[in-house]
Amino acid sequence: GIQVEQSPPDLILQEGANSTLRCNFSDSVNNLQWFHQNPWGQLINLFYIPSGTKQNGRLSATTVATERYSLLYISSSQTTDSGVYFCAAGTASKLTFGTGTRLQVTL
Amino acid sequence: DGGITQSPKYLFRKEGQNVTLSCEQNLNHDAMYWYRQDPGQGLRLIYYSQIVNDFQKGDIAEGYSVSREKKESFPLTVTSAQKNPTAFYLCASSPFAATYEQYFGPGTRLTVT
Repeated sequence: GIQVEQSPPDLILQEGANSTLRCNFSDSVNNLQWFHQNPWGQLINLFYIPSGTKQNGRLSATTVATERYSLLYISSSQTTDSGVYFCAAGTASKLTFGTGTRLQVTL
Repeated sequence: DGGITQSPKYLFRKEGQNVTLSCEQNLNHDAMYWYRQDPGQGLRLIYYSQIVNDFQKGDIAEGYSVSREKKESFPLTVTSAQKNPTAFYLCASSPFAATYEQYFGPGTRLTVT
């Protein structure tokens, strides 16, 4: 099956800093999503982005399907951005999740 | 309010007992999914269903069973055959038409002792 790798595994930022999270996947996909998991375990949808670029406020994402990677950009980070960010990639029915990037934003 | 509900939020069971986790959605989505998450790990797919009365095994189906008798409901039974049932269980749904985007419920934390 498809393999999904995320980097870095851990990231500590000061409030106001920018960051880039990376997701590599091993095969062609028609579904790629980025999620933020909050401290209570809820998965929040950030982007549905099997290809192209999208922006939502301070967050943006780019997927280059031909090169099998996706990037999540967080600008002007805030303490509320802390948590685990997951990339999931796959086909229509089956998503494979990476192991996540744990982000901590400090004052 | 449209959304996905899972109940209960926390569940405690003795080893050897079967337990059923509830998942309901009122988004009129065709597809529903069950995932398992262990501490510090990503999610792994247990079962999924694209239409009523049909479902397929995911990557870790052993020790689990599901049913899909109604479009809005997809209960998961954790049987006594599941060797390590303690985990965080998440249910998701997707339209499975114009978009395959999956949306998640709040999860159920199951502890088996």
